[in-house]
Amino acid sequence: GAGVSQSPSNKVTEKGKDVELRCDPISGHTALYWYRQSLGQGLEFLIYFQGNSAPDKSGLPSDRFSAERTGGSVSTLTIQRTQQEDSAVYLCASSFRGSYNEQFFGPGTRLTVL
Amino acid sequence: QQPVQSPQAVILREGEDAVINCSSSKALYSVHWYRQKHGEAPVFLMILLKGGEQKGHEKISASFNEKKQQSSLYLTASQLSYSGTYFCGTVETSGSRLTFGEGTQLTVNP
Repeated sequence: GAGVSQSPSNKVTEKGKDVELRCDPISGHTALYWYRQSLGQGLEFLIYFQGNSAPDKSGLPSDRFSAERTGGSVSTLTIQRTQQEDSAVYLCASSFRGSYNEQFFGPGTRLTVL
Repeated sequence: QQPVQSPQAVILREGEDAVINCSSSKALYSVHWYRQKHGEAPVFLMILLKGGEQKGHEKISASFNEKKQQSSLYLTASQLSYSGTYFCGTVETSGSRLTFGEGTQLTVNP
């Protein structure tokens, strides 16, 4: 079946603009995660959705970052008033029923803030 | 709390063995291992649940010592295809989310 998809694959924006990144998880996966990966760095946790539970937003670096998940499926990560330090690859992953199972990663969105 | 991985980087010749370690100061429910090749997304290798089990995947295996909150990934007779960055992720007994370490960069040369 289809894997996790993300769009766009690349996004170049100017400092101060807002951006929206989209993630389509694998059908039936109730858990969805967003990570940020700067060049040559590790996987920085941003936010975790699990079913109908309140999301774990503890990794969001500032109030410029927000995410939602509609209908338990598609998720959108929004970055307002982008800064140069927001430049990174944003990875989305999904898993069946939570963190105790394998996470399937999407190809990522490379964000460049000029 | 982010787990600590060691070493940060290792260079091998094809056929040599390597061990990558992952430790946490918190009680763990599970340890997860992923490999990421350059320019690609991370790919799942294995999950180890508390209970001190060991798992294997081709010539890659891992152990989990829940009393010490430590896990080790063993790569035997390394192949060129093993090159990449290995991440351990941990789920604490008191939590529900997976937290990744900084990664270990493994390079296998001919």
